[in-house]
Formats: sequence, C-alpha cells, structure tokens
Amino acid sequence: RKEVEQDPGPFNVPEGATVAFNCTYSNSASQSFFWYRQDCRKEPKLLMSVYSSGNEDGRFTAQLNRASQYISLLIRDSKLSDSATYLCVVNSPGGGADGLTFGKGTHLIIQP
Amino acid sequence: NAGVTQTPKFQVLKTGQSMTLQCAQDMNHNSMYWYRQDPGMGLRLIYYSASEGTTDKGEVPNGYNVSRLNKREFSLRLESAAPSQTSVYFCASSEASLAVAGELFFGEGSRLTVL
Repeated sequence: RKEVEQDPGPFNVPEGATVAFNCTYSNSASQSFFWYRQDCRKEPKLLMSVYSSGNEDGRFTAQLNRASQYISLLIRDSKLSDSATYLCVVNSPGGGADGLTFGKGTHLIIQP
Repeated sequence: NAGVTQTPKFQVLKTGQSMTLQCAQDMNHNSMYWYRQDPGMGLRLIYYSASEGTTDKGEVPNGYNVSRLNKREFSLRLESAAPSQTSVYFCASSEASLAVAGELFFGEGSRLTVL
C-alpha cells in the first residue's frame, strides 16, 4: 500500500498569520504531487499542483523535497475563508487507476 | 457549468436493500471514478472507468458494481447494502487516466446511511 501521511490537526491559527504543513510519502518513485482543498461537507477541489522547483499562487506556496520525500503547503496572511481540510495527493508510476493516493487531510481553522 | 452531477445527495437504506448512485459529467472526460470517504480513512477508490465501455476495480470494490452507461454516465450499485457501506460517496472525472491525471473534478457527494 502506497502511503501518504498528513498531520490531521486541527491547526488553529489566528487570522493574518502564516501557517505551513507537510505531507510525507513513502514511494520514492512518485512523480506528481498535488494539494486539494475540501470544505466541510463539500467535495475536494484542486488547490495547486506541486512542481519540483516549487510554485506559488498568491498567498499559497507549495514545495517538494524529494530527498526527504515530503511536500509542503505554506499559506501567508491567512483568511477566515482558508478554513478547510487540505488533502495531499501523490501520483505514483505504474499504479494504474489507483496511482493517485490521497492523504487523510489536515484540518485548518483560521480564527478571527 | 454543471461539471459532475450525482444523485441522490442523501439516502437511508436498510440492511439488504439495493440502490444505485447516478453520476453524470458534461466535460467530455474519458475517465470516471467512484470514491468513498470515511472519517479517518481518507478517499478510497471503489471502481473506475478509463474510457467508455471499460471498468476496473479500485482499492475497495467488494459489495459494489458499476456501469459505464456512456461517456457521460457512470453508476454505482449496491446490491445488498451493509452498515459498513455507510459513507460519503464521490463521483469524479478527469480528462486523462489516474495514472497521469492531476486534476480530478468531483461531484458534490452522496451521503448514504445503512441501518
């Protein structure tokens, strides 16, 4: 079983703060990495892909560390609307349809 | 912009009853999937269909059957519901297969309770 591990939280963070969380993966041959966001009682939606060189989208920065086999998500100037569960998703080669493995998610609560 | 549409959104069944969850996508995607999400377990793949006319088992297929009716529609059937099948079910689609896909588009979910 390919493993993707996340700290479930919850992370309680004051509005405006910076928060970061990691996701570790066990398959060193994994090739693609993603962060999804899931609001309470809603469906998951792609937040951003994670590229080898790291990538930024507004207040969100995703990074990949292949040597230590983890990806990270950094949220700057957090907003109340950032409260959600963040799912780490890893795509491993040769996995067929279950090549995508979802982490169990990290629950983030932004407090006013 | 309907995307992926699932029905029903809520259902309560008694043990042994059968039911079918319907899913349709309007994005002309080739691949469609059924996942279940349980507390503390994350999303687990039940069945998938890489293209019209094909279906394959995922991680947790026991107790389920699927039909890829056409390119748009992919249904999930519980022949004899069990309490262990109480879950939130998500249908999803992608342009490419999961082996290369990045973005999955999910339906809003179907909350099933089996008593």
